[in-house]
Amino acid sequence: ETGVTQTPRHLVMGMTNKKSLKCEQHLGHNAMYWYKQSAKKPLELMFVYSLEERVENNSVPSRFSPECPNSSHLFLHLHTLQPEDSALYLCASSRSQGAISNGYTFGSGTRLTVV
Amino acid sequence: DAKTTQPPSMDCAEGRAANLPCNHSTISGNEYVYWYRQIHSQGPQYIIHGLKNNETNEMASLIITEDRKSSTLILPHATLRDTAVYYCIVKNTNAGKSTFGDGTTLTVKP
Repeated sequence: ETGVTQTPRHLVMGMTNKKSLKCEQHLGHNAMYWYKQSAKKPLELMFVYSLEERVENNSVPSRFSPECPNSSHLFLHLHTLQPEDSALYLCASSRSQGAISNGYTFGSGTRLTVV
Repeated sequence: DAKTTQPPSMDCAEGRAANLPCNHSTISGNEYVYWYRQIHSQGPQYIIHGLKNNETNEMASLIITEDRKSSTLILPHATLRDTAVYYCIVKNTNAGKSTFGDGTTLTVKP
């Protein structure tokens, strides 16, 4: 247990479904991140939130919609996904976006399969 | 953020030291070197970081060359559970994001 909890661990969804991924941390961190890891590819940064404000969107398609209601929770809302969106989705948090000693704490990820 | 280069794979005998190299020849003065590892199907785990001095913690040691163009992560007594992908990242602390490359797949063998 890393202190960053992601649910669900596994998700299978159809291309017309709407689902949400949840990330929760109680480490007192102020920055949260969504990463995507496709098979045999490096981690790709999707979104960065600092103090509940989105500070980066890495050209992610609009079918992925993040939400950060408070500094402890981060959601990724999914709708009309494509099979190529199947991947491991990882949430991470850090003390703040720009602090020294800014190691990230990652969750275990949600394994998403789009059918 | 500066680009890093790592060998794609390495083997290490159990109980021996694992030395994982990373080249970051374009690193700038305010960029730190971070190491993470990812065990299969889990999220990456922070290991250690440094600026220019060598660093040691309970997991590993980090040796940074004097010109800061390369570094080595040392696992002093590798175990089978250290088998993982190891990522070397350089990051400006004023930039929140960490950009991960392909990493080195370390296989510890009995």
